[in-house]
Amino acid sequence: KAGVTQTPRYLIKTRGQQVTLSCSPISGHRSVSWYQQTPGQGLQFLFEYFSETQRNKGNFPGRFSGRQFSNSRSEMNVSTLELGDSALYLCASSWDRTNSPLHFGNGTRLTVT
Amino acid sequence: AQSVTQLDSQVPVFEEAPVELRCNYSSSVSVYLFWYVQYPNQGLQLLLKYLSGSTLVESINGFEAEFNKSQTSFHLRKPSVHISDTAEYFCAVNNFNKFYFGSGTKLNVKP
Repeated sequence: KAGVTQTPRYLIKTRGQQVTLSCSPISGHRSVSWYQQTPGQGLQFLFEYFSETQRNKGNFPGRFSGRQFSNSRSEMNVSTLELGDSALYLCASSWDRTNSPLHFGNGTRLTVT
Repeated sequence: AQSVTQLDSQVPVFEEAPVELRCNYSSSVSVYLFWYVQYPNQGLQLLLKYLSGSTLVESINGFEAEFNKSQTSFHLRKPSVHISDTAEYFCAVNNFNKFYFGSGTKLNVKP
């Protein structure tokens, strides 16, 4: 069974640009969550989507947005990039059961210059 | 809201020595507990989980964790570590379908 796939693996962007990251969940998983990981702030929750609807949201500015398609694939977008957005962005999928673990992809490493 | 505390940000240990990585959470009401491991430039991998039943859970590579409801803890242990165990370890709690992660503990196994 294929795991969670994130593309691209690496991205380099300049300040002010926008970026779109993609995530394909494990087949059958309908919940997709996004996390930002940095050395200083650790793992921070961005948002969770289920059945194309945003179900939970973390404390990030409106420049961070996401969506989920009918096949459960998800994208997140960051507009007007800032240097502080440099991070590893992790996507995780799960069954929609309260005791289901998250399954993570290998992340997209975004560097903003 | 739930909070998860991993008091030790870094744990250095010699190969073949035992290790304990500590994890405490703020509420024992309806929680499910997990440990994840992250190797450099990779995502988090599920190491083990406590959902119900026996309070001692084990992973396939020799780690174990014990759920202690009275102390709201879920410490991770291994009796003898290997160089290959060098990684960052995250404790997580699922409380009413929301995940909360600790800040991580970097385990550095020295030869």
